[in-house]
Amino acid sequence: EIVLTQSPGTLSLSPGERATLSCRASQSVTSSYLAWYQQKPGQAPRLLISGASSRATGIPDRFSGSGSGTDFTLTISRLEPEDFAVYYCQQYGSSSYTFGQGTKLEIK
Amino acid sequence: QVQLVESGGDLVKPGGSLRLSCAASGFTFSDSYMTWIRQAPGKGLEWVSYISGSGNTISYADSVKGRFTISRDNAKNSLYLQMNSLRAEDMAVYYCARRAPSQRHLDSWGQGTLVTVSS
Repeated sequence: EIVLTQSPGTLSLSPGERATLSCRASQSVTSSYLAWYQQKPGQAPRLLISGASSRATGIPDRFSGSGSGTDFTLTISRLEPEDFAVYYCQQYGSSSYTFGQGTKLEIK
Repeated sequence: QVQLVESGGDLVKPGGSLRLSCAASGFTFSDSYMTWIRQAPGKGLEWVSYISGSGNTISYADSVKGRFTISRDNAKNSLYLQMNSLRAEDMAVYYCARRAPSQRHLDSWGQGTLVTVSS
């Protein structure tokens, strides 16, 4: 099973700043099968990025994804107040899904 | 638009059983792989199971294999999760989610239903 490790666990930033979230896989991941989700308290997760770098419908262009192989990154170029949430990466492989443990993005 | 509504969550004793349902609308249900994802209180997301549109392809996480059964009724646009031999560690919010057509990511999620396992 592929293990996804997200870092940092918590990221404290201010609105307007740039956020860089990392997702590292224990073995190579098919880029097409790497996704990022945002979850706010009391809500279901929401798809942000699929295929490592494709924004989902309605997702602002301040969100971008990159990476390949074992290292993937979610970047939020300029933080808006509504971006403070928990972010998860997820991969599919060998007939199963795995999620990273999440990065909490909090207001500094 | 795609809508997924889970139901069936409840308080159940360890060793007990529960059946969750997910009502789908706004898309061709029989064409879509569907998944169950869970989230224990204060914890991260954990994949539980998925099922193909026809029901012929099914996969389970090791943590639930042999205890949980996923199924669907395409005539009713409904997804199910039969959970037996429940344990304290099964306590979580259970989400149903649609796998994007011809893709692997999960593009639509329900609001979740809470399963509490406690004596």
